Amino acid sequence: DTAVSQTPKYLVTQMGNDKSIKCEQNLGHDTMYWYKQDSKKFLKIMFSYNNKELIINETVPNRFSPKSPDKAHLNLHINSLELGDSAVYFCASSHTGAGETQYFGPGTRLLVL
Amino acid sequence: QQQVKQSPQSLIVQKGGISIINCAYENTAFDYFPWYQQFPGKGPALLIAIRPDVSEKKEGRFTISFNKSAKQFSLHIMDSQPGDSATYFCAASIKRGKLQFGAGTQVVVTP
Repeated sequence: DTAVSQTPKYLVTQMGNDKSIKCEQNLGHDTMYWYKQDSKKFLKIMFSYNNKELIINETVPNRFSPKSPDKAHLNLHINSLELGDSAVYFCASSHTGAGETQYFGPGTRLLVL
Repeated sequence: QQQVKQSPQSLIVQKGGISIINCAYENTAFDYFPWYQQFPGKGPALLIAIRPDVSEKKEGRFTISFNKSAKQFSLHIMDSQPGDSATYFCAASIKRGKLQFGAGTQVVVTP
């Protein structure tokens, strides 16, 4: 069973479109995260939720909106996609607060044309 | 501004050799220093972690060395194997808070 799963695995879309990425974890964790990994492999945290409450909200364009319907799910919706949004987006989860061992999903590779 | 500086950007080592990756930080409030390993096409996975109250931690062929006064820590991969070829990230956090990642080191182990 996959611990942290993301859908879709690949996403190719046109500039200006709106898209969503879904994440689910079956580890019983109460904290979930979204990271962006750029073409140089730099990992940057975007958001973190603890028990469905937003606890980390980095400097991210407000075109990005996370939603956590329950502790096991964290989705990321992106409006008006831009070329610079092309990256790999990773979902992760952990116990208690941020920084505990984080378990990463396989990533969603987003390409904006 | 990157709070954890990692070097080198890439390294090639022969099978059986030692891979050494270095990280430096400025914020003395950091109290947790994990290393993550990422294989191509996969998400990062925790490899080993250390707290600043110890100077060294070893797990199998992987060792973290920690120098609190110099604000540096490093990962040593002993007897490097082709299966160790991956990107390695150091990170740091305060009271298990937000992880600040280094820029990553791509390690290639040649047969």
